[in-house]
Amino acid sequence: EAQVTQNPRYLITVTGKKLTVTCSQNMNHEYMSWYRQDPGLGLRQIYYSMNVEVTDKGDVPEGYKVSRKEKRNFPLILESPSPNQTSLYFCASSKGARGKAFFGQGTRLTVV
Amino acid sequence: ILNVEQSPQSLHVQEGDSTNFTCSFPSSNFYALHWYRWETAKSPEALFVMTLNGDEKKKGRISATLNTKEGYSYLYIKGSQPEDSATYLCAPRTGNQFYFGTGTSLTVIP
Repeated sequence: EAQVTQNPRYLITVTGKKLTVTCSQNMNHEYMSWYRQDPGLGLRQIYYSMNVEVTDKGDVPEGYKVSRKEKRNFPLILESPSPNQTSLYFCASSKGARGKAFFGQGTRLTVV
Repeated sequence: ILNVEQSPQSLHVQEGDSTNFTCSFPSSNFYALHWYRWETAKSPEALFVMTLNGDEKKKGRISATLNTKEGYSYLYIKGSQPEDSATYLCAPRTGNQFYFGTGTSLTVIP
């Protein structure tokens, strides 16, 4: 089954404690991206990747890092989380930026 | 940053009614427009990818049109059903970056 898998689904953490949200897709998609969803705002793109070892900043990259060492995986790293990073996060993948995106189940992150 | 507006913000219709909503975006530097359907407690699901001015796409009772010169797209739902209740998102793409609107929340009343 074609899918994008994010882990964990829910996470409560403390300010400053490094964390990683994993994202994996099984469709051999080149394009992957991370979004955050906050009340009253549309999905905002954090980072995207056109292919292995090619990543670029989206609209709101501050406080986040990503890596794309393998085609299927695109982890999101918060080196020093802060409460303003409390949000719902989605990973998505597609066949190039032109393709229809498949979204993961979402990760609800709370930073206290 | 791209200013993407979707209207109306929310909509309640009776089962069987047809409805439509709008996505407005800057027409300059336009590459493509994506429409998504997002049900509560689920993930966004892709409906259409539209690229050319005058494009029309259809999937069952849902269709969409695109006007890139004036910077808008319409989404139409014919004969709304309760299972159409969801938030409909549009996302113009410029280059390799996407900018999502805040969505139109549709509730279909049985």
